[in-house]
Amino acid sequence: DVKVTQSSRYLVKRTGEKVFLECVQDMDHENMFWYRQDPGLGLRLIYFSYDVKMKEKGDIPEGYSVSREKKERFSLILESASTNQTSMYLCASRTTVNTEAFFGQGTRLTVV
Amino acid sequence: AQSVTQLDSQVPVFEEAPVELRCNYSSSVSVYLFWYVQYPNQGLQLLLKYLSGSTLVKGINGFEAEFNKSQTSFHLRKPSVHISDTAEYFCAVSDYGNAGNMLTFGGGTRLMVKP
Repeated sequence: DVKVTQSSRYLVKRTGEKVFLECVQDMDHENMFWYRQDPGLGLRLIYFSYDVKMKEKGDIPEGYSVSREKKERFSLILESASTNQTSMYLCASRTTVNTEAFFGQGTRLTVV
Repeated sequence: AQSVTQLDSQVPVFEEAPVELRCNYSSSVSVYLFWYVQYPNQGLQLLLKYLSGSTLVKGINGFEAEFNKSQTSFHLRKPSVHISDTAEYFCAVSDYGNAGNMLTFGGGTRLMVKP
């Protein structure tokens, strides 16, 4: 089975902290994605990566950065966490444009 | 740029009744379309996908969807729902356009099946 693993299910951080969310996939997928999920807004794409060290901004990249140093790992970084970044964060990976994306279980981040 | 609109944020329905969850998309090029389901406290899983060929696509758990290119729609249907279908459903579009390999989701529809 394809597995996408997010490092934490729940995380509480303080305003201004630098936060790292880690995602690892075990299927050698080229493409990886970070979304945030908020009630009524669905899933909004923050960043995606189509290869090692390659990244593209999604719809809401402000306040976030990403890192992909190895094919299997895609990290989301909140440079200085703010309360409006409290949300559910979902990581996904897939092979190419017409294939299914596989999702992790999500990280519920609370910034206090 | 691609976008997805799910026209209903919540759909209440009685058990064993039929249901349709609506999805419209916009894209400048040929698209691939997906429906995902998210059960409470779980990640998303694929229900079905349209890549090419027959416009009627069958998925898991008795769901099906119809691709309508002229109306840019991809509505999800089930003839008879069960309590266990209570979940949030997301429509998504993917294409080869300028956005590269983006996968864009709609706002979601919460299906609430009542006994």
